[in-house]
Amino acid sequence: DVVLTQTPPTLSATIGQSVSISCRSSQSLLHSNGNTYLHWLLQRPGQSPQLLIYLVSRLESGVPNRFSGSGSGTDFTLKISGVEAEDLGVYYCVQGTHAPNTFGAGTKLELK
Amino acid sequence: EVQLVETGGGLVQPGRSLKLSCVASGFTFNNYWMSWTRQAPGKGLEWVASITNSGGSTYYPDSVKGRFTISRDNAQNTLYLQMNSLRSEDTATYYCTRDLAQNWGQGVMVTVSS
Repeated sequence: DVVLTQTPPTLSATIGQSVSISCRSSQSLLHSNGNTYLHWLLQRPGQSPQLLIYLVSRLESGVPNRFSGSGSGTDFTLKISGVEAEDLGVYYCVQGTHAPNTFGAGTKLELK
Repeated sequence: EVQLVETGGGLVQPGRSLKLSCVASGFTFNNYWMSWTRQAPGKGLEWVASITNSGGSTYYPDSVKGRFTISRDNAQNTLYLQMNSLRSEDTATYYCTRDLAQNWGQGVMVTVSS
C-alpha cells in the first residue's frame, strides 16, 4: 500500500502567519492517465472533513485562495498564506492513484 | 447544494451485522462514484469502500474485504454499506463521500461491543 507521510504532525501558528504542510508518498502518484490523484482535506474540530485542494493544485469551489497546493511525483505541499482562525483543525492528504486509497496521518494546526 | 445524509449506525455485538444508508441530493447521483470512509475515535481517516457510478464495480481494502459490501440504488439516490462479521476494530464514525473525497456527509457512529 502507498504510505503518505505528513510533516509536521503538529503546527503552531499565529494569525496571519504563512505555513506549509508536507505530504511525501512512498510511490509516485502520477497515474498512467497523466493525472496525479493527490488531494488535501481539512477537518475542523467536531466536523466532517472538507475538500480544499484536488489533483495537487486545483482549488475546490468556495475555498479561500490563501490555500494552495503544489508538488509532483512523491513530494507535495499545502501552503496557507496568512492563517485565519477558521483554518484551525487537522489537515489530511489522500491519494487515489494506487489501490487501496490511502490517507496521511494528519497535521494538526493550532494557535500559538 | 450537495447533501449526503447517513443513517443506520448504532451499537452492535461482535460478529453481528449492520447496514448503513446514505441519501444523496443536490447532484446527479448516477454520474458519480461513491465511497465510504471511516474514522475510529481520536484517529485518522481510513478508506473503506468505493463503487462505480453504475454500480458495476466495487473496491475494498483488505481490512474489510469479504465482510463489507457497498451497493447503490440510483433510482433512490441512495448508497449502502452492508457490514457483516463486525469486529471491535470496526468501531468508528462512517462517512459517505462523493467520489473519494469531494463531499462528505455528517457521519454515523458504529460501535462494536459486547
